[in-house]
Amino acid sequence: GAGVSQSPSNKVTEKGKDVELRCDPISGHTALYWYRQSLGQGLEFLIYFQGNSAPDKSGLPSDRFSAERTGGSVSTLTIQRTQQEDSAVYLCASSDGRSKNIQYFGAGTRLSVL
Amino acid sequence: SQQGEEDPQALSIQEGENATMNCSYKTSINNLQWYRQNSGRGLVHLILIRSNEREKHSGRLRVTLDTSKKSSSLLITASRAADTASYFCATPQGGSEKLVFGKGTKLTVNP
Repeated sequence: GAGVSQSPSNKVTEKGKDVELRCDPISGHTALYWYRQSLGQGLEFLIYFQGNSAPDKSGLPSDRFSAERTGGSVSTLTIQRTQQEDSAVYLCASSDGRSKNIQYFGAGTRLSVL
Repeated sequence: SQQGEEDPQALSIQEGENATMNCSYKTSINNLQWYRQNSGRGLVHLILIRSNEREKHSGRLRVTLDTSKKSSSLLITASRAADTASYFCATPQGGSEKLVFGKGTKLTVNP
């Protein structure tokens, strides 16, 4: 019974480089969410996928951020031309779309942009 | 803007004491959830209370909801060092599946 899996757990990159963060949701969960958490802060919503519907991208902070979800399962969050202010923990969550939107979180990817 | 706002931002207590955290929100909701985050980890769902409920219990957790005041409280009784974590309230945004999280209360339980 695997939970939500995120990789890598830590990523250090240089300013200007592109990074890809991966999320493997709980099998059968139709909804997948990405959040960003800066140090000591709450969660900032980024993007939400639900089944085959068009994703809700309303939280993406700039056009350098994009995400896709292939086959309704694994998702990749891509940050292009990273900036120092992108440094944060990126959390992924999934839900079954039925249980009053209770979300199950991965352990996150800690991104450090030097 | 944040839908849920927790207070206090930080709380330090001794083992065995009770811890109370509060959450205020702005718009009408159909449920409110509380999550816990241990340092360096993802969030874990603790409890959900529906808008037609006023109080709910789960083990040492007690959650109240006052929809007239748009506020909720989380009480942890007989706290343990293992309860040390950040606690977040979350509310659905509009009629969607999206949850809006507050900034959290950082609880420290001293042995």
